[in-house]
Amino acid sequence: DVKVTQSSRYLVKRTGEKVFLECVQDMDHENMFWYRQDPGLGLRLIYFSYDVKMKEKGDIPEGYSVSREKKERFSLILESASTNQTSMYLCASKKGQGANEQFFGPGTRLTVL
Amino acid sequence: AQKVTQAQTEISVVEKEDVTLDCVYETRDTTYYLFWYKQPPSGELVFLIRRNSFDEQNEISGRYSWNFQKSTSSFNFTITASQVVDSAVYFCALSEASWSGGSNYKLTFGKGTLLTVNP
Repeated sequence: DVKVTQSSRYLVKRTGEKVFLECVQDMDHENMFWYRQDPGLGLRLIYFSYDVKMKEKGDIPEGYSVSREKKERFSLILESASTNQTSMYLCASKKGQGANEQFFGPGTRLTVL
Repeated sequence: AQKVTQAQTEISVVEKEDVTLDCVYETRDTTYYLFWYKQPPSGELVFLIRRNSFDEQNEISGRYSWNFQKSTSSFNFTITASQVVDSAVYFCALSEASWSGGSNYKLTFGKGTLLTVNP
């Protein structure tokens, strides 16, 4: 069974902390994505990666960075967490360059106090 | 820029009712793809369907059906004889096929429709 896993389902951090959200996929997919989901706003793309060490900004990259050192792992980094980054974070992966479906992880609900 | 509008924020029905979730999209491309995803209370988005812009045939899968109409830029989703397990947030999404500086088939999501099916 194909899977996208995220390191935590729930996370509570303090303002100013550096936060790492980890995502791992076992499908050998080239593309990986980080979204945040907020009530009334749907899913918004933060960053994506179409290959190891490659990254592209999405629609709302401010305050975030990413790392993709291995094909199966895509990390989202909050350099200095702020309360407005309290959200649900969803990771996804996709095979190839075509408009194939994205497979999603279960999400990490991050609360920044 | 591409845009997806799901005008219905919340819908509540009684079990066995039919329900249609609306999706209207905007794109300048002639080649594009439309998707529906389901997000149950567990949180994980589940892929339901993909349709490309050249295939306007309606699709039926069990109790689910999709109506794609390019003339009205709509891709509506109908659940027939709804069940409590259909309760979820449903997202419509659009992906343009053009390559643009690394923008490789990004998905643009609508804001979602929360469907509640009551017993």
